Amino acid sequence: DIQMTQSPSVLSASVGDRVTLNCKASQNINKYLNWYQQKLGEAPKLLIYNTNNLQTGIPSRFSGSGSGTDYTLTISSLQPEDVATYFCFQHNSWPTFGGGTKLELK
Amino acid sequence: EVQLVESGGSLVQPGGSLKLSCVASGFTFSNYWMDWVRQTPGKSLEWIGEINTDGSKTNYAPSIKDRFTISRDNAKSTLYLQMSNVKSDDTAIYYCTRTEYRYVMDAWGQGASVTVSS
Repeated sequence: DIQMTQSPSVLSASVGDRVTLNCKASQNINKYLNWYQQKLGEAPKLLIYNTNNLQTGIPSRFSGSGSGTDYTLTISSLQPEDVATYFCFQHNSWPTFGGGTKLELK
Repeated sequence: EVQLVESGGSLVQPGGSLKLSCVASGFTFSNYWMDWVRQTPGKSLEWIGEINTDGSKTNYAPSIKDRFTISRDNAKSTLYLQMSNVKSDDTAIYYCTRTEYRYVMDAWGQGASVTVSS
């Protein structure tokens, strides 16, 4: 199985900050990487698919990048409603999720 | 509006069986592959498996293969997850998901809670 490691596990940032979340795969996943946002008490929500494709309806402050084994989700200007846990998900082979990054307001 | 509504979650004894259902609305169910994903009490997410549009092909995660079966009834716009020989590790919230493209899960239900305990 491909292991997905997210860092940091917890991130505190202020409104307006540029925030970067990281996801590292144990092997090359050929950009087959999605990002999901999960707010407290809710189901996960698709933000970005295949590394850098913004899902319909998702604000443009969210963006994704990466290749090979290293991927990032960037929020250009953090908003209060972005407080959530973010999960990466690879589907290059048997699909696996990362452990998540909890994003908090400072 | 796309909606996925799971039901059937409950407390089940180890070794027992349970069947979850997911009723879809707001889109043409028969046009989409569907997946199940679960989330453990520790909040880890695990992809369980998928089914193609007509139900003729399924794929499962190695951890549940041969114990769980995914099926669908397109006439009823309903997805199913038959769980057998359940273990304590199967305790989780089970989400029904629609896949817009293969493994791109773009719509999720609210989840069904399954607890395996004696």
